[in-house]
Parts: sequence; structure tokens; C-alpha cells
Amino acid sequence: GAVVSQHPSRVICKSGTSVKIECRSLDFQATTMFWYRQFPKQSLMLMATSNEGSKATYEQGVEKDKFLINHASLTLSTLTVTSAHPEDSSFYICSAAKVGTNQPQHFGDGTRLSIL
Amino acid sequence: SQKIEQNSEALNIQEGKTATLTCNYTNYSPAYLQWYRQDPGRGPVFLLLIRENEKEKRKERLKVTFDTTLKQSLFHITASQPADSATYLCALEDTGFQKLVFGTGTRLLVSP
Repeated sequence: GAVVSQHPSRVICKSGTSVKIECRSLDFQATTMFWYRQFPKQSLMLMATSNEGSKATYEQGVEKDKFLINHASLTLSTLTVTSAHPEDSSFYICSAAKVGTNQPQHFGDGTRLSIL
Repeated sequence: SQKIEQNSEALNIQEGKTATLTCNYTNYSPAYLQWYRQDPGRGPVFLLLIRENEKEKRKERLKVTFDTTLKQSLFHITASQPADSATYLCALEDTGFQKLVFGTGTRLLVSP
């Protein structure tokens, strides 16, 4: 099946640091990538939808200046958590989809972000 | 308000039995519903998709039903194995193409 690679798998850093997370679709061209956040014992919450070559669409309550998304190619999207604080600590997961194919989303293995 | 509900309590069953997990939704009219498996510290893995005009879908030991009148989907694992222990998430499409909304998941524990 389709493979989506997410890197890094774990990040621990100090408050105020900016952290970049990469999401790559390895064997198909992803016209759309999604970024989710998951807190312990809670469900995945969609943060934003990223389409190649255009601005991301953010969900209500998600600060676009705090969570910068770039989808520069059909195989790579990045999420940058700017000036991270302890409340940004969470499990961030990306997924990739090929719009128009009725295929399900394929998920990366997530990034555990811990802000001290 | 819109809600997707799955049993928050873990489901404990014995190996070989059939596990049945429930997903109920309110104030959605999804064209399809999906089930995913998530292991601790990992991303979800797609299992099955069922469309609104399908009553049932099967894949090996997995079976999903979809009742749009009851607004409910049931997920069955027959002949369960300890390796089936994981959290199972249902997801349905919200407005907008391929934008998924997830339930909170049900943790399944299969004992040998």
C-alpha cells in the first residue's frame, strides 16, 4: 500500500523554539495533505488541509501564524510550529491523499512533540 | 451539534471470539465511512471503507455494516487474535472532499 513518511518521529525542545515536521508521500503524488493533532486519549483533530501549490486551509481555532504549512511539491508538505510552548506538546500526524481517486487517506507515523 | 461516538471503555475479549465495535454519529450525512486501526505511538492504518449505499463490506476477518437510518456503523473482527489488540477509529467525511472527522476510538484487548 501507499507509504507516507513523517520526520522526525520525536522532538524534545525548549519553549520558544520553532520546530519543523516533514511529511512525504513516497510512492504516489499527493495533491492534498492533511495535518492532525492528537492529545492523549483523544481523537485526531484536523488542523489544516494543504493543497500543492496553494495556501493551506486552516480549521477554526487553529492559528495559521503559529502553525505554518508549506506544500511545495506533490510529495512533500511541512508543518512548522513557531515559537512552541508547552501547550503545543502533542502528537502531530500527517496524511496524504490523491484527490479524485476515491482512495482513503494514508497516514504517517506521527511526530511526538514535547516542549519543555 | 455534530458528534461521532465510539465506546470510550476498552473492550476485552478472549482469543477466538468475535469483537464488535460501534460507531454512532449525529447530524452528519456522510457519503462514506471508514475504519482505521491505531497502535500506540503510531499513525492510523486504513482498514475498510463503506459507502452510504452499501449495507455491508468484508475483508478477510473484518466486516463492517453501515445503517444510514440508525446512523450507525458496526465493525466486527471474527476469530480475534491478540495481535488484533489496538485502538479502532471510525471516521466519516465532513463537508469538503476527503475531509475526515474521527471518533475517539475504542481500545480492543484480545486475551490469549
